[in-house]
Amino acid sequence: NAGVTQTPKFRVLKTGQSMTLLCAQDMNHEYMYWYRQDPGMGLRLIHYSVGEGTTAKGEVPDGYNVSRLKKQNFLLGLESAAPSQTSVYFCASSRPRAGENTGELFFGEGSRLTVL
Amino acid sequence: QQQVKQSPQSLIVQKGGISIINCAYENTAFDYFPWYQQFPGKGPALLIAIRPDVSEKKEGRFTISFNKSAKQFSLHIMDSQPGDSATYFCAAFRNSGGSNYKLTFGKGTLLTVNP
Repeated sequence: NAGVTQTPKFRVLKTGQSMTLLCAQDMNHEYMYWYRQDPGMGLRLIHYSVGEGTTAKGEVPDGYNVSRLKKQNFLLGLESAAPSQTSVYFCASSRPRAGENTGELFFGEGSRLTVL
Repeated sequence: QQQVKQSPQSLIVQKGGISIINCAYENTAFDYFPWYQQFPGKGPALLIAIRPDVSEKKEGRFTISFNKSAKQFSLHIMDSQPGDSATYFCAAFRNSGGSNYKLTFGKGTLLTVNP
């Protein structure tokens, strides 16, 4: 019963390097999200997707790109990493209840990224 | 613009005491208010949620109190236990009816329950 799985769990990058974080969910959820968590800042939404092939910008999208080629996967890319992107990244998924857009978010365990 | 303001930033409570975390929101269109609990090294998980048509919801030792006129809601943890030590996030959501679905989170409260 995996739920939401994020890889890698830890990564150290140098400024200017690129990388991709992978999120996979096995619950057949329609919606998927990428958040970043920083001390004192709470959870801030980077990008989200309401279905396969669709993505949208969240609160802090600059410097990130995403893709949702398959329903179960949501990729977060950093094209040119900056120290300001040092953070813990969380992926989440949800399925809206019938007739509503609300639904419980299921989070992965996070990916800790350090940019030197 | 911070749409959900959460306080306090940190809270220390003795075992058996009551923990209270408060949140205030600005957008009167919000219609769903969940609380998430996060343990160190883990992702947040839904703890309890409320809709504005009720003033209180209780699940075990956890209670949400909701004041629609004041645009405030709070989480009460009765008989707090060391195992409750975690970061708590309030959140708010507007059911717009379209495909634009995202929660607005507060900045979190780090709760420490001393034995």
